[in-house]
Amino acid sequence: AQSVAQPEDQVNVAEGNPLTVKCTYSVSGNPYLFWYVQYPNRGLQFLLKYITGDNLVKGSYGFEAEFNKSQTSFHLKKPSALVSDSALYFCAVRDEKGGSYIPTFGRGTSLIVHP
Amino acid sequence: GAGVSQSPSNKVTEKGKDVELRCDPISGHTALYWYRQSLGQGLEFLIYFQGNSAPDKSGLPSDRFSAERTGGSVSTLTIQRTQQEDSAVYLCASSLALASGNEQFFGPGTRLTVL
Repeated sequence: AQSVAQPEDQVNVAEGNPLTVKCTYSVSGNPYLFWYVQYPNRGLQFLLKYITGDNLVKGSYGFEAEFNKSQTSFHLKKPSALVSDSALYFCAVRDEKGGSYIPTFGRGTSLIVHP
Repeated sequence: GAGVSQSPSNKVTEKGKDVELRCDPISGHTALYWYRQSLGQGLEFLIYFQGNSAPDKSGLPSDRFSAERTGGSVSTLTIQRTQQEDSAVYLCASSLALASGNEQFFGPGTRLTVL
C-alpha cells in the first residue's frame, strides 16, 4: 500500500524568506515522488519529481526537494519566497513495486507568502 | 504544444439531470486519469485508462458514474442522475506510460454545480 501525508494545511512565510512545505510517505518498495502546484482556478502543474539518483531534486520556479529515505520525507523548499508562489501545493507518491499506476496525492498545503 | 483540455469549464445543472464532461489529453499520452476535487479536499481518484487495457474503475463513487475513452484519445466522464454532493471540480490528467515514473499533465478542470 502507498500513502502520503502533508501535515500542514497552511504555511505562512514572508516574502524573501526561505520556505518549506512538508511531505512524508509510506510505500512497500521504492517511491516515485512528485510535487505539483495549483494556482487559483487552474489545474495542477508539475514542479519536480524524484525517481532515482541524486537526493536533491531541482525543479521549476526555483523550487527544490530533498528525498530522505530514512525519514521517508520529500519536503519542498525554496531559498527565497515570492508573493507569486502563493498557491496550493500537492505531494504525490507511487510505489514502484505496488503494481498500481495510480499515484496517491496528499490533501494539499496552502502556501501564503506575505509581502 | 497543446496541453490537456477540458470542456465545459463550468457546468450548472439541476439535481437528477445527466452530465457529460470531456477531456482531450496530450497527443501521444497513453495514460488518462479522472479526479474529483471538492472544496477543501485533496484529489479523489475516479478512473484510470492505460492504452487498450481495461480501465481501473476502483475510484468511481457509485454506479451513476461512468467513463469511456474512444480511440485511445478523448475521454468522457458521465454522471447520471446528478446529486448535490456531486458538485466539485473534475480534473483530467494524462501522461506517458507510467512504468518509468512519468509525471501527469492536468487540464484546467470542469467546475460542476448541481442545484
